[in-house]
Amino acid sequence: ILNVEQSPQSLHVQEGDSTNFTCSFPSSNFYALHWYRWETAKSPEALFVMTLNGDEKKKGRISATLNTKEGYSYLYIKGSQPEDSATYLCAPSDWGSARQLTFGSGTQLTVLP
Amino acid sequence: EADIYQTPRYLVIGTGKKITLECSQTMGHDKMYWYQQDPGMELHLIHYSYGVNSTEKGDLSSESTVSRIRTEHFPLTLESARPSHTSQYLCASSEGRDPGWGGEKLFFGSGTQLSVL
Repeated sequence: ILNVEQSPQSLHVQEGDSTNFTCSFPSSNFYALHWYRWETAKSPEALFVMTLNGDEKKKGRISATLNTKEGYSYLYIKGSQPEDSATYLCAPSDWGSARQLTFGSGTQLTVLP
Repeated sequence: EADIYQTPRYLVIGTGKKITLECSQTMGHDKMYWYQQDPGMELHLIHYSYGVNSTEKGDLSSESTVSRIRTEHFPLTLESARPSHTSQYLCASSEGRDPGWGGEKLFFGSGTQLSVL
């Protein structure tokens, strides 16, 4: 099982603020990384799947970058809105994980109106 | 829009009871998964299936069992529930390449919150 760390554990921002959080993972044998958004009382929803060092993905106001050499990914939210309030999960995989993802414990974002 | 359904949404049951958590998907996905999440903790894979009559244990040991008799259906069973089984159980499915190999994303159900008294 990979050691996956997400920081911060929780975050409160004001509406309109931009924010970012980090997913750290072992850089050796990296294969892929997923980001999911999980709103309360709903199902986790995929945001991005990333595989290449230097990958940048964007979906509306949310973007993500990947650095496989140093073992981290950043998720950015520009101009946070209350509907962005959710837990954001990252899930990397490596060659040794039998093709499965290992989830971090998430960053819980609350956007205050 | 993903179509993966879990029932029941909440279940409170006494120790020693047999329970089955249902998961169905209408997308025709070959791959299905069960994840378990204790409060404040990570999602852990407990079972997965790559198709009919194929089941494997995940990285977290679990006393539950699963079956895959039909592509769309992947139920999870606990023969004798205990308080230590209290947790949230999430079902997911995917198609194509394995998610861990940079393949397709996971589609999740809304989960079953199980409480064993």
